Amino acid sequence: AQKVTQAQTEISVVEKEDVTLDCVYETRDTTYYLFWYKQPPSGELVFLIRRNSFDEQNEISGRYSWNFQKSTSSFNFTITASQVVDSAVYFCALRELLGNQFYFGTGTSLTVIP
Amino acid sequence: EPEVTQTPSHQVTQMGQEVILRCVPISNHLYFYWYRQILGQKVEFLVSFYNNEISEKSEIFDDQFSVERPDGSNFTLKIRSTKLEDSAMYFCASSEGGGAFFGQGTRLTVV
Repeated sequence: AQKVTQAQTEISVVEKEDVTLDCVYETRDTTYYLFWYKQPPSGELVFLIRRNSFDEQNEISGRYSWNFQKSTSSFNFTITASQVVDSAVYFCALRELLGNQFYFGTGTSLTVIP
Repeated sequence: EPEVTQTPSHQVTQMGQEVILRCVPISNHLYFYWYRQILGQKVEFLVSFYNNEISEKSEIFDDQFSVERPDGSNFTLKIRSTKLEDSAMYFCASSEGGGAFFGQGTRLTVV
């Protein structure tokens, strides 16, 4: 079963628009960790955020914000006032407490059009 | 800022040859990983390594693959006899237990 689902394969927005990237996860663990990574065209994976399952506070970092909803098993990522440099593939990932591996979603390709 | 370093950035090899991909994790991290990403596809887990041994591995990580931490700083992935389908971007990652930090990747092309 897919542990992390990113239903949006590709999104295009015009610069300065807000955009939300969806992530739904599945786990039986009560303690787990959620992550977002950015993969720009150059190919590297850039760590953006980690969220623990017991901390449901939403987080804001500059133009980025994350909405963690345990009740719906979702961990959505919003970029406010998008910029061309935000164009990348964004991956959501899950790590369960009893295990080391990170389960990645299939990624959402975001294109910001100038 | 500490970072995970991978070498080489690009490796071209002939089918059937052995390759070794090298990684220098962040120095105080305890967990090490290899992932791969076939072009345009998802990031796939290969193996995790903790306390000098493999802690988890995926179905992809068959007998053709091995990992080593030979000297306490490097972390290597060896593919014994490469196949065309091994062509991918290989990412090394390390973690102190929280988020994993990834290297810039090695693009392996098997011809």
